[in-house]
Amino acid sequence: DAGVIQSPRHEVTEMGQEVTLRCKPISGHDYLFWYRQTMMRGLELLIYFNNNVPIDDSGMPEDRFSAKMPNASFSTLKIQPSEPRDSAVYFCASSWHPTGVRGNEQFFGPGTRLTVL
Amino acid sequence: AQTVTQSQPEMSVQEAETVTLSCTYDTSESDYYLFWYKQPPSRQMILVIRQEAYKQQNATENRFSVNFQKAAKSFSLKISDSQLGDAAMYFCAYIAGTASKLTFGTGTRLQVTL
Repeated sequence: DAGVIQSPRHEVTEMGQEVTLRCKPISGHDYLFWYRQTMMRGLELLIYFNNNVPIDDSGMPEDRFSAKMPNASFSTLKIQPSEPRDSAVYFCASSWHPTGVRGNEQFFGPGTRLTVL
Repeated sequence: AQTVTQSQPEMSVQEAETVTLSCTYDTSESDYYLFWYKQPPSRQMILVIRQEAYKQQNATENRFSVNFQKAAKSFSLKISDSQLGDAAMYFCAYIAGTASKLTFGTGTRLQVTL
């Protein structure tokens, strides 16, 4: 398997523009996670899905952020409108059930570095 | 709420030497898992080692081992025979046995010098 795939790897956009980040999880994984990494706040969980259904979006910072998982092999994280403070690295990760088979590893994608000017 | 604390923002070790990275956590759960992730300059998050709280034996993976002190809620990572490729950010992480969410520490940047 190719691992978790994210696109684009880098995104530079201007304030106010819409940004869409994409993720393809590892085939067979039924959990998908979106994280944001910044120097100030470290790694934060934004939202996670189980079997394509959003389970916990309490980490989503504001209504400008939305995430979807239309099928088991694709998810998007959208920011509209984007702001400079959204600049960060966004990671997607996937796993088998984290607790069904205990303590399963989350496999991370390479991340998308977002810069909002 | 669970918290994970890494009190060493940066560490340095000479090649072939041993270094220990510290991690403490706070939880009221009895069933949980602890992880160390490595993030090299490529940004890729890579699992280094995993420890189940119900196991008394410390986990080891080649040159990497942990010192798990459950009563003290401490989970340190020891890297033996350090190599240049070990240079990276290292994150300690926690997940409760009934949960699906990882909680990460703030990371320790490890430098490996010749």
